[in-house]
Amino acid sequence: AQSVTQLGSHVSVSEGALVLLRCNYSSSVPPYLFWYVQYPNQGLQLLLKYTSAATLVKGINGFEAEFKKSETSFHLTKPSAHMSDAAEYFCAVSEGTGNQFYFGTGTSLTVIP
Amino acid sequence: GAVVSQHPSWVICKSGTSVKIECRSLDFQATTMFWYRQFPKQSLMLMATSNEGSKATYEQGVEKDKFLINHASLTLSTLTVTSAHPEDSSFYICSAGGGTSRYEQYFGPGTRLTVT
Repeated sequence: AQSVTQLGSHVSVSEGALVLLRCNYSSSVPPYLFWYVQYPNQGLQLLLKYTSAATLVKGINGFEAEFKKSETSFHLTKPSAHMSDAAEYFCAVSEGTGNQFYFGTGTSLTVIP
Repeated sequence: GAVVSQHPSWVICKSGTSVKIECRSLDFQATTMFWYRQFPKQSLMLMATSNEGSKATYEQGVEKDKFLINHASLTLSTLTVTSAHPEDSSFYICSAGGGTSRYEQYFGPGTRLTVT
């Protein structure tokens, strides 16, 4: 069965500091992996996705993530945090059949000025 | 491309009434649509999966008679919350799968339901 673990339900970083949000998955088949951002009272916005091509994926707003099969991880990073990055972040995995998604529990990012 | 809309974005209804939420795929045909519920500060909880022209498949613990899902066309799915109660107040998000991708979902902006 699929599962997604996001370590750290709350992460605080100073403005300008590195952002690192962790995501580990379990999958019996090669997964498709996604990171979404959600602002209050809004839907999910796709940040980036891994679809079995390049293991280092670049997304919008300066975010990137690296797929590491040996570690079953897909951590999200951004070199320099901005105040506008404060939001909820969700990692999700798809097996690629029937579009079924499995979501992590989310990480709330706070950016300290 | 792959835009999904929801209507309304925000609705208030009185306890005991029913409310319908629409989910539309605007520029692709959605063979599968998903309905999620999200409580404050929590992740998305899948309620049901619907395929066009078929009955929805509900997740365990979701009352199918309370949350009626219809997927009558490849671009429209509706969620009707029947006899709503304050505990049904939540953020409801739909997503659509299909088009050129067999593994991706495209999410709507969500509907905030408040039952008074």
